[in-house]
Amino acid sequence: DTAVSQTPKYLVTQMGNDKSIKCEQNLGHDTMYWYKQDSKKFLKIMFSYNNKELIINETVPNRFSPKSPDKAHLNLHINSLELGDSAVYFCASSQSDRGRDGYTFGSGTRLTVV
Amino acid sequence: AQKITQTQPGMFVQEKEAVTLDCTYDTSDPSYGLFWYKQPSSGEMIFLIYQGSYDQQNATEGRYSLNFQKARKSANLVISASQLGDSAMYFCAMRGINDYKLSFGAGTTVTVRA
Repeated sequence: DTAVSQTPKYLVTQMGNDKSIKCEQNLGHDTMYWYKQDSKKFLKIMFSYNNKELIINETVPNRFSPKSPDKAHLNLHINSLELGDSAVYFCASSQSDRGRDGYTFGSGTRLTVV
Repeated sequence: AQKITQTQPGMFVQEKEAVTLDCTYDTSDPSYGLFWYKQPSSGEMIFLIYQGSYDQQNATEGRYSLNFQKARKSANLVISASQLGDSAMYFCAMRGINDYKLSFGAGTTVTVRA
């Protein structure tokens, strides 16, 4: 009964391809996020949805497009993959009125673009 | 905008000893929350401890305690009685009370020696 689950765990693909990463949470949280962790382990937020509404859209190439079909799911689609997109992508969720609880993270998706 | 600074890229600690991980922050938000996360080599992000800016007492969770000095804008994590399983990367993070975005520091790698 994983709280935040991401698929796939590993993704190896060629430059120029389009790929998607899926995320689902069963915690009943109303907010979900995508973070990117680069090779130096720095974590940077990309997007956030609250009750299916986009609330954070950081400076990210428009090749990245999030989609939230419902508040339990947040997917990330990446077009025309580039070498620099290689990173670990984390999905996370939180409940907006329970700030002390922090975020619950998925186990990450390691994307390698070759 | 919030800025989190972790100045120690790596630390070694002897098993059973205590270790302090430094974290300083800068924010214009009058009310905010501070978080610490652990990332072991397996890659998952584990929430450790939370401190609210208006909490009267420093937070503690088992062997983890937070040395919060608001005037100095520091929120150092203390791990007591270190165990081999504490070897990991540790991230300090913060969020304004009305902000959805959790901003992370660069992290500190802790290696516990037997």
